[in-house]
Amino acid sequence: NAGVMQNPRHLVRRRGQEARLRCSPMKGHSHVYWYRQLPEEGLKFMVYLQKENIIDESGMPKERFSAEFPKEGPSILRIQQVVRGDSAAYFCASSLRGLAEAFFGQGTRLTVV
Amino acid sequence: AQTVTQSQPEMSVQEAETVTLSCTYDTSESDYYLFWYKQPPSRQMILVIRQEAYKQQNATENRFSVNFQKAAKSFSLKISDSQLGDAAMYFCAYRSRGGSQGNLIFGKGTKLSVKP
Repeated sequence: NAGVMQNPRHLVRRRGQEARLRCSPMKGHSHVYWYRQLPEEGLKFMVYLQKENIIDESGMPKERFSAEFPKEGPSILRIQQVVRGDSAAYFCASSLRGLAEAFFGQGTRLTVV
Repeated sequence: AQTVTQSQPEMSVQEAETVTLSCTYDTSESDYYLFWYKQPPSRQMILVIRQEAYKQQNATENRFSVNFQKAAKSFSLKISDSQLGDAAMYFCAYRSRGGSQGNLIFGKGTKLSVKP
């Protein structure tokens, strides 16, 4: 039973480009969460999604960031017109139900040059 | 808003010894979960132990145990018989029982080194 899969593991983008981060939840999990980890910091909640719905996006920056979890396929975190401050590790977690234990992927390290 | 504070940026322990990592939190809620996660160099976030606030008994998982003091809002992690593989970042985390159902609030972490 594969765990939460994130790809790519590492992503380099130039300022102004778009970054797309993908997350495939564990089999049977329909709840997905995205977190961002800045250097020397803990993880910060960004968004909580269920299939085709955004449940809580209170941690998402108002501009340039969006997330989706379509009926088919992985969840996508999209960052438009990236800036140096977007450089961070982005983690995805999934759970079977909203209050069940969440399992984390290995993260995507985004570097903006 | 809830906050989680880990006051020890770095800790060191001798192999086979015991070490305690501190965590305090602030909340006005009465029902919630508390967690300790381990993040080794691979960056994988691994759940070490969890505690439900309504349970008075401290959680234990093999060599890992917690000291949960609800009134003091303290949730420390004790690692007994430390092993080299325990070296990692350790994050304390809080989650409301209701609300957004999954929004974990993390501390800044404690980097644990294990000396052979």
